[in-house]
Amino acid sequence: QQQVKQSPQSLIVQKGGISIINCAYENTAFDYFPWYQQFPGKGPALLIAIRPDVSEKKEGRFTISFNKSAKQFSLHIMDSQPGDSATYFCAASPIDEKLTFGTGTRLTIIP
Amino acid sequence: GAGVSQTPSNKVTEKGKYVELRCDPISGHTALYWYRQSLGQGPEFLIYFQGTGAADDSGLPNDRFFAVRPEGSVSTLKIQRTERGDSAVYLCASSFSGSATGELFFGEGSRLTVL
Repeated sequence: QQQVKQSPQSLIVQKGGISIINCAYENTAFDYFPWYQQFPGKGPALLIAIRPDVSEKKEGRFTISFNKSAKQFSLHIMDSQPGDSATYFCAASPIDEKLTFGTGTRLTIIP
Repeated sequence: GAGVSQTPSNKVTEKGKYVELRCDPISGHTALYWYRQSLGQGPEFLIYFQGTGAADDSGLPNDRFFAVRPEGSVSTLKIQRTERGDSAVYLCASSFSGSATGELFFGEGSRLTVL
């Protein structure tokens, strides 16, 4: 059972544009929603995370938008740069339990 | 080292052989996780240790997979009678808070290929 659905599978964005990746979850017990960034040959690294008591969290060019009623959350990357080219994973967990990851989005930023 | 260290980085073995993968977490991190990542997929949870004990091993696919963390630091993932379907990158992560709500610090993974 896939508990966290992520889309799109791949995304190409022009440099300076906005990259948007979406995730949907089913388990209403989830209350922690991080995004991880992974470069080829490396392990995933935490990018930004949100708890459901807020609808948006911004850190630099990265913003998470969270819609509790729709059970959806998304990552927005503003002013996308070539260095942002990587695979992005959304994840979710209930408090104090293991993370469940989405299937990933391969983002490519073109000049 | 400063980060999570995993060895070997690459392991090629034959079907039916036994394999051990090692993880050295960040010093002081009490929680340690093993995940498996197949090509083009997200990390899939295998097992979670809090100290020396396995707090959640619900992700281990079958009894061929076993993991230990005898002194609450280094962990070893053991796979018996390997199958071609076991081929994947095995990721180890550690965290300080001891729960999934703390940041997970991942190693670079051990890539296992079963021929």
